[in-house]
Amino acid sequence: AQRVTQPEKLLSVFKGAPVELKCNYSYSGSPELFWYVQYSRQRLQLLLRHISRESIKGFTADLNKGETSFHLKKPFAQEEDSAMYYCALWGGADGLTFGKGTHLIIQP
Amino acid sequence: NAGVTQTPKFQVLKTGQSMTLQCAQDMNHNSMYWYRQDPGMGLRLIYYSASEGTTDKGEVPNGYNVSRLNKREFSLRLESAAPSQTSVYFCASSPSGGNPDFGPGTRLTVL
Repeated sequence: AQRVTQPEKLLSVFKGAPVELKCNYSYSGSPELFWYVQYSRQRLQLLLRHISRESIKGFTADLNKGETSFHLKKPFAQEEDSAMYYCALWGGADGLTFGKGTHLIIQP
Repeated sequence: NAGVTQTPKFQVLKTGQSMTLQCAQDMNHNSMYWYRQDPGMGLRLIYYSASEGTTDKGEVPNGYNVSRLNKREFSLRLESAAPSQTSVYFCASSPSGGNPDFGPGTRLTVL
């Protein structure tokens, strides 16, 4: 069965500091991985996907198949980055599986 | 395009009451989903519909039923609400799998 693990429920960093949100996955096939962001009381929005290898709002994520990880990184945190972040894995017939989420708080 | 819409936005029920959460999408997507979001639990799939006319159970289907009324609409019904069903419910849709677009959510409280 596919699984997504986000080990940190809460991550608090100061403005301007680097951010890394961890995500590990378990999947037998070739995974398709995503990061979603949810700002306070809003709908989930797709932040980025690994196949596009893009940078959105300064965030990047690299798929490391050897370590089965898809960590989300940003070199300099901004206060508007405060939100819930969910890592998700698309497993074909098994659908989209989400991690439990990490609440990122950026302190001024 | 309105994207994925959900009604109602908020609802308070008493234990044992029934209600239906409505979801519609105007993107001609084949697949639709219902998730619940609970603190510390992330998003868990309740039911999904891979295409019009089909529905399948997700991770937490107990206490819920769904109807894929047509390609646009996918409703979630609680026949006899319980306090454990207090949650935020998100509907989502995607073309045929892959990352979905989410609705704004329905915040349900069961007393």
